Amino acid sequence: EAQVTQNPRYLITVTGKKLTVTCSQNMNHEYMSWYRQDPGLGLRQIYYSMNVEVTDKGDVPEGYKVSRKEKRNFPLILESPSPNQTSLYFCASSFVGGGGEQFFGPGTRLTVL
Amino acid sequence: AQKITQTQPGMFVQEKEAVTLDCTYDTSDPSYGLFWYKQPSSGEMIFLIYQGSYDQQNATEGRYSLNFQKARKSANLVISASQLGDSAMYFCAMRDHNAGGTSYGKLTFGQGTILTVHP
Repeated sequence: EAQVTQNPRYLITVTGKKLTVTCSQNMNHEYMSWYRQDPGLGLRQIYYSMNVEVTDKGDVPEGYKVSRKEKRNFPLILESPSPNQTSLYFCASSFVGGGGEQFFGPGTRLTVL
Repeated sequence: AQKITQTQPGMFVQEKEAVTLDCTYDTSDPSYGLFWYKQPSSGEMIFLIYQGSYDQQNATEGRYSLNFQKARKSANLVISASQLGDSAMYFCAMRDHNAGGTSYGKLTFGQGTILTVHP
């Protein structure tokens, strides 16, 4: 089944404790992206990647890191989480170019205390 | 820079009636795509419909159609014969198809519209 998976789905952590949210897709997509969703703000892009070893900042990259060592994986790293990073996070993937839809993972609900 | 505006924070519709969700966009790129996604209360993002900037006809997918007015930069979603299961948040989004541009491939979202279908 073609899908984007994220883990964990839910996470409660404390300020300053490093965490990684994993994202994996099995559709051989070049493009992968991370978004955060906050009430009234829609989805905002954090980082994206056009292909292996090619990543770039989105609209709200502060406090986040990413890496793209393999085509299928695109982990999101919070080195020192803060309460303002409490949010719903989505990973998405697609082919580059054309009208290909972005496929979204199920979301990760993160709470930073 | 690309921008998507959804001016309706909430909409109500009677079951079996049609409803239009508004979306306007702003871009200077000649090649782009417009998307609508549905987000039910369970949280997942469900792709509904796509319209390319060079497509001559409005896109349709079952009960969903996209009213694309390029000169007015609007891409409204029309849902016909509303069902109770259509109650959800709806997002309009735009993607830059300009290969080589600084925002190539980026998907920009509006703030969303919450649709409630009454029985």
